[in-house]
Amino acid sequence: DAGVTQSPTHLIKTRGQQVTLRCSPKSGHDTVSWYQQALGQGPQFIFQYYEEEERQRGNFPDRFSGHQFPNYSSELNVNALLLGDSALYLCASSFTGGGTEAFFGQGTRLTVV
Amino acid sequence: ILNVEQSPQSLHVQEGDSTNFTCSFPSSNFYALHWYRWETAKSPEALFVMTLNGDEKKKGRISATLNTKEGYSYLYIKGSQPEDSATYLCALRSGSARQLTFGSGTQLTVLP
Repeated sequence: DAGVTQSPTHLIKTRGQQVTLRCSPKSGHDTVSWYQQALGQGPQFIFQYYEEEERQRGNFPDRFSGHQFPNYSSELNVNALLLGDSALYLCASSFTGGGTEAFFGQGTRLTVV
Repeated sequence: ILNVEQSPQSLHVQEGDSTNFTCSFPSSNFYALHWYRWETAKSPEALFVMTLNGDEKKKGRISATLNTKEGYSYLYIKGSQPEDSATYLCALRSGSARQLTFGSGTQLTVLP
């Protein structure tokens, strides 16, 4: 049983560009959450997707958007990249009807130059 | 904005030592407290999900306690081994919020 998988593992982009990160949830999970971890900090919640809709959102600008597909996989899109967007982006999946436990992927390391 | 604090930020212990660290959180609207273990270049691994005041959970040499009234949780590692070296994160879920609010983590290094 594959856990949560994220792609790509590393990415380098230039300021102003756009980026798409991908996440496949653990088998049986229907909810995907995205987190940003900047250096020296804990992961910060970006948003959560359930039933292909954004269910909750953290304190991130509209440049951050997402999508969930019918197979529960998800994408995180960031437009107009800033140097400060350089971080590790983590995806977590969970099952809405199954309690509160969330399983994480290994993350995508985004570097904006 | 919820404030989840972990202490210490980092610590080094000798193999065989027992150690503990703290997670502090706002006690109002408590729903659940999660502990994760995160080794470099790997996914954060769920250790415990704690929901009830007074909860004590154990997994091998690692255990955790929860006090929701005063807003803290302790993680204990008995007889630390080099493979316990990792960052230990706590995360709070509160009220009707579905997201986790993380602390900054405690980075543990166990020296052989």
